[in-house]
Amino acid sequence: SQTIHQWPATLVQPVGSPLSLECTVEGTSNPNLYWYRQAAGRGLQLLFYSVGIGQISSEVPQNLSASRPQDRQFILSSKKLLLSDSGFYLCAWSVEGREPQHFGDGTRLSIL
Amino acid sequence: SQQGEEDPQALSIQEGENATMNCSYKTSINNLQWYRQNSGRGLVHLILIRSNEREKHSGRLRVTLDTSKKSSSLLITASRAADTASYFCATDGDSNYQLIWGAGTKLIIKP
Repeated sequence: SQTIHQWPATLVQPVGSPLSLECTVEGTSNPNLYWYRQAAGRGLQLLFYSVGIGQISSEVPQNLSASRPQDRQFILSSKKLLLSDSGFYLCAWSVEGREPQHFGDGTRLSIL
Repeated sequence: SQQGEEDPQALSIQEGENATMNCSYKTSINNLQWYRQNSGRGLVHLILIRSNEREKHSGRLRVTLDTSKKSSSLLITASRAADTASYFCATDGDSNYQLIWGAGTKLIIKP
C-alpha cells in the first residue's frame, strides 16, 4: 500500500533562517506531488505541484521554493524565512491531477 | 482563488443527529471530492463524485451533486463524537493538475 511521510511534525525557526521540509511517498511511481499551506482555521493554499522529476509549478510567488530530486521525494525550501511563512504545511500526492489526493500529517512551522 | 465554498462555516450538533454541509462552485467540473481533517492532522479523502453522478454513498456518508446549481452536499447520518472535524470540498475545474479547495466547514459533535 502507498504511504506518505512528512517531517518534521513541528518546527520553530527564527526569522531569516533557512528552511527545508521533506516529503517522501512509498508504494507508487511517478505520483503528482503537492505542497500546501494552511493558515489556522482556513482552507488550503496550493504552493507548488510537480508532475515529474525536476518539474515544479509555482502557484504563489514568494520566498519559498520546491524541488523534486527523486521520483517520490518533494522538498520545500527557503533561504530566509519571514514571519508570514508561519503556518501548517501539508504535502500530498495523487495518481493524476483530478484524482483523490493523499496527505501527510503536516508540519507546524512557527517563525519567531 | 477558491472555487468551492462550504456552508455553514461551522456546525454544532448533538451526537446521533444528522449533519449536512454544502459546497458551491463556479466553473464546470469533472468531479467533486470531500475530505475530512481532524485537528492538527492531514486531510483524509472521503468520497469522489463524478459530474455524471447525482448521488453516492459510503457508509454513513451520502453525497449529492447538482451540476445545474453547481452545488454539492455531504450528509453524515447518526453522527458520532469521532466525526468532529473540518470538512472540505474540492473540485477539479479547468485544471488537469490541481484541485480547487473550499474554506471548509468545522463540525462539532456534542456528546
